[in-house]
Amino acid sequence: DTGVSQDPRHKITKRGQNVTFRCDPISEHNRLYWYRQTLGQGPEFLTYFQNEAQLEKSRLLSDRFSAERPKGSFSTLEIQRTEQGDSAMYLCASSSLYSGGDTQYFGPGTRLTVL
Amino acid sequence: GEDVEQSLFLSVREGDSSVINCTYTDSSSTYLYWYKQEPGAGLQLLTYIFSNMDMKQDQRLTVLLNKKDKHLSLRIADTQTGDSAIYFCAERDNDMRFGAGTRLTVKP
Repeated sequence: DTGVSQDPRHKITKRGQNVTFRCDPISEHNRLYWYRQTLGQGPEFLTYFQNEAQLEKSRLLSDRFSAERPKGSFSTLEIQRTEQGDSAMYLCASSSLYSGGDTQYFGPGTRLTVL
Repeated sequence: GEDVEQSLFLSVREGDSSVINCTYTDSSSTYLYWYKQEPGAGLQLLTYIFSNMDMKQDQRLTVLLNKKDKHLSLRIADTQTGDSAIYFCAERDNDMRFGAGTRLTVKP
């Protein structure tokens, strides 16, 4: 088991561009979560999937943010028309509903810088 | 106001014990967690405690939970310089809520 992986690790973009991040969860985990972390703060929950179903998306920051998990394995988070305020670390986590208290294991994050 | 609160900074000498405190507001929390984050990295799970427990020990780590006061603490025995990091407390009911993190500095 290689843990949760995220790609890319760093992304620099210009304001107004679209960006997409990928998360590969731990292979047997059926739940996948996206968080945003800004400097000096803890992670802020955005959305989560159980298998391919997106069970909570009301906390996505705006309609510019969307996430998918089409086959219940990897997930993508897209931000359209990026703004400077979107600069942050985007963290992905996964868990198993059936073991370990549904404990979430985090990936290394994707750091987004919007110029 | 914040659902989970932590003091922002703690400084200790190598070999001493560190105690990081956390308060939360959601009485229906089922699990409470401690995560460690080193610079530029994701969060590493340290330990978690189910809400019907009051203590959990795992090697150098001791977690104490006072459910009545909604207070959680993490004690690190024999603190080492490698323990320097930001420590996040989190509580979970339906979703996970994190505190802002406590930056632990260990001086040699």
